[in-house]
Amino acid sequence: KAGVTQTPRYLIKTRGQQVTLSCSPISGHRSVSWYQQTPGQGLQFLFEYFSETQRNKGNFPGRFSGRQFSNSRSEMNVSTLELGDSALYLCASSSGLKNIQYFGAGTRLSVL
Amino acid sequence: DQQVKQNSPSLSVQEGRISILNCDYTNSMFDYFLWYKKYPAEGPTFLISISSIKDKNEDGRFTVFLNKSAKHLSLHIVPSQPGDSAVYFCAASGFNSGGSNYKLTFGKGTLLTVNP
Repeated sequence: KAGVTQTPRYLIKTRGQQVTLSCSPISGHRSVSWYQQTPGQGLQFLFEYFSETQRNKGNFPGRFSGRQFSNSRSEMNVSTLELGDSALYLCASSSGLKNIQYFGAGTRLSVL
Repeated sequence: DQQVKQNSPSLSVQEGRISILNCDYTNSMFDYFLWYKKYPAEGPTFLISISSIKDKNEDGRFTVFLNKSAKHLSLHIVPSQPGDSAVYFCAASGFNSGGSNYKLTFGKGTLLTVNP
């Protein structure tokens, strides 16, 4: 089985712009979660989608949004980028609520 | 409020010795615990997990111990190898205190360095 695929791997944007990140989960996995990783902060949970519905949401501002398509692929959007949004954004998929999450390699976003 | 804590940002051990990584949690509703390993420029890789109904789970060189009364878990790596050098994340899943959200919560990670 192919693993979790995230595109693009690297992005450079400027303040005020918006960005869309993409995640293709493992085939058959219906749950997709997004995390932000910054130095010293570990993995901060953004949101989780299951069957095209947002099931959980972390404590991030409304500039961070996401969606999931019928084929379970997910996108994450960040609008009005700030310097502090520079981070590694990780996507993880799992087959159920209590199942192990499998991560993609991440998208490294740099905001200048 | 940090519900999963890894109080040691780094740990250095000699090849062949035991590595012990520790993790504490505060939410008594957590019912499943996991360890992930992360190399630079890669996503975290699942290593081993344990259910709250068990106190030990072993997989090869890796053993996870859970002490529910102390809300503490640890990962033992024996023997440690240079290829084990990575950041290790402890994670716990369960409902939040309000019983509404079931999600995975990560600690901030411990950088393990195994010296040859």
